[in-house]
Amino acid sequence: KQEVTQIPAALSVPEGENLVLNCSFTDSAIYNLQWFRQDPGKGLTSLLLIQSSQREQTSGRLNASLDKSSGRSTLYIAASQPGDSATYLCAVRREGNKLVFGAGTILRVKS
Amino acid sequence: NAGVMQNPRHLVRRRGQEARLRCSPMKGHSHVYWYRQLPEEGLKFMVYLQKENIIDESGMPKERFSAEFPKEGPSILRIQQVVRGDSAAYFCASSLGQYNEQFFGPGTRLTVL
Repeated sequence: KQEVTQIPAALSVPEGENLVLNCSFTDSAIYNLQWFRQDPGKGLTSLLLIQSSQREQTSGRLNASLDKSSGRSTLYIAASQPGDSATYLCAVRREGNKLVFGAGTILRVKS
Repeated sequence: NAGVMQNPRHLVRRRGQEARLRCSPMKGHSHVYWYRQLPEEGLKFMVYLQKENIIDESGMPKERFSAEFPKEGPSILRIQQVVRGDSAAYFCASSLGQYNEQFFGPGTRLTVL
C-alpha cells in the first residue's frame, strides 16, 4: 500500500528565505508526482508535475526534484514571499489512476 | 476554458438527509475523480469514473455513497442518510485521458448538523 509522508508538518520562515519541503513515498512504482498548493477553504492549485522518467521540474521560483529509487521528492521555494503562505501537498500517481496524497506542509512566510 | 466546476460550494444538511454534490469537468475531459478531505486529514481518493462507467470505487464507503457520470450532464456524488462523520470537503478532479494531469475543482464543503 502506497503511503506518502510530508516533512515538516508546519514551517514558519521570514520573508526572503529559501526553503525546502520534503515528500517521501513507500512504493517507487509511480507514474508521476505532483505538488499542489491549497489556500484555506479553497481548492487545489497544481504547481508542478514530474513524470516518473524525469528528475526535476521548474516554474518561476519553484523547483521540484524526484528521486524515484529512494522514494523522495523535494519542493524548493526561492526567495519566499508572504503570498507563498499556504498548505503544500504532495501526491503520487500509481496504477489505477488515483492520486495518493500526503498530509501536507503548512507554510507561513512572515513579512 | 472554464476550469472544473463544483456546486454547491457549501452544503448544510441535517442527519438523515441526502446530499447531492455536482461536478462539471473541464471541457473535453471525460475522466472524473472524487476525493474527500476530512478535517485535519489529507485528501483521500473515493471514486474514478468515465462517461457512464465507474472504473474504480475502491475508496468509496460501501453503504450510503454512490457516484455517477451520465452521458449528458455533470458527475454526481450522492450521500444518503448523512451522518456527522460525513462532514468534509469533497473535491472533484477531471483529466483529458487516463494518464493525463488531474485538474481540481474548488470543492464542496459539506456540514452535517
